[in-house]
Amino acid sequence: GAGVSQSPRYKVAKRGQDVALRCDPISGHVSLFWYQQALGQGPEFLTYFQNEAQLDKSGLPSDRFFAERPEGSVSTLKIQRTQQEDSAVYLCASSWELAPTYEQYFGPGTRLTVT
Amino acid sequence: GQQVMQIPQYQHVQEGEDFTTYCNSSTTLSNIQWYKQRPGGHPVFLIQLVKSGEVKKQKRLTFQFGEAKKNSSLHITATQTTDVGTYFCAGLDSGYALNFGKGTSLLVTP
Repeated sequence: GAGVSQSPRYKVAKRGQDVALRCDPISGHVSLFWYQQALGQGPEFLTYFQNEAQLDKSGLPSDRFFAERPEGSVSTLKIQRTQQEDSAVYLCASSWELAPTYEQYFGPGTRLTVT
Repeated sequence: GQQVMQIPQYQHVQEGEDFTTYCNSSTTLSNIQWYKQRPGGHPVFLIQLVKSGEVKKQKRLTFQFGEAKKNSSLHITATQTTDVGTYFCAGLDSGYALNFGKGTSLLVTP
């Protein structure tokens, strides 16, 4: 079956531009996570959705970052007024279960470069 | 907040040698997960450990969770070139945030 998909795979934005990154989780997965992975680092948690409810957004680095999952399936991570420090790979992961204590399936990521 | 430290950062072995990576948390974990990320790829789940002192094996891979649930290790016996990649541990203490270590990058030369 299809895995987690993300689009676009690559995005170049000029500093100050807004970007929107999309995640299509595996069908039926109730849990969805966003991570930010800088070069040579491990993924860093950004936010967690259980169906359409955003239960944890403690990892979002600033109020320029906003995530939504309005119908409990597709999710969008939006970054306003991008800065150079936002350059990273943004990973989406989904899971069958209601809690993060189970296997997470990662998408291929969106590599964001802010120039 | 919780921090997960991994050592070593890099490891270069000859094919057939063993490899071990260690993970330490500043707080007690409810569980720990291990992921593998190939160069240019995304993290792929390997295993989850939940119980104190738990040991799990997957073919040549052995995973351990410490008695105090603050440390874990991954041991690969007789490495192969297909084992190349970065191995991450990720700990969960409470809440929903899985905290990843910085990973150990394994290079295997034939």
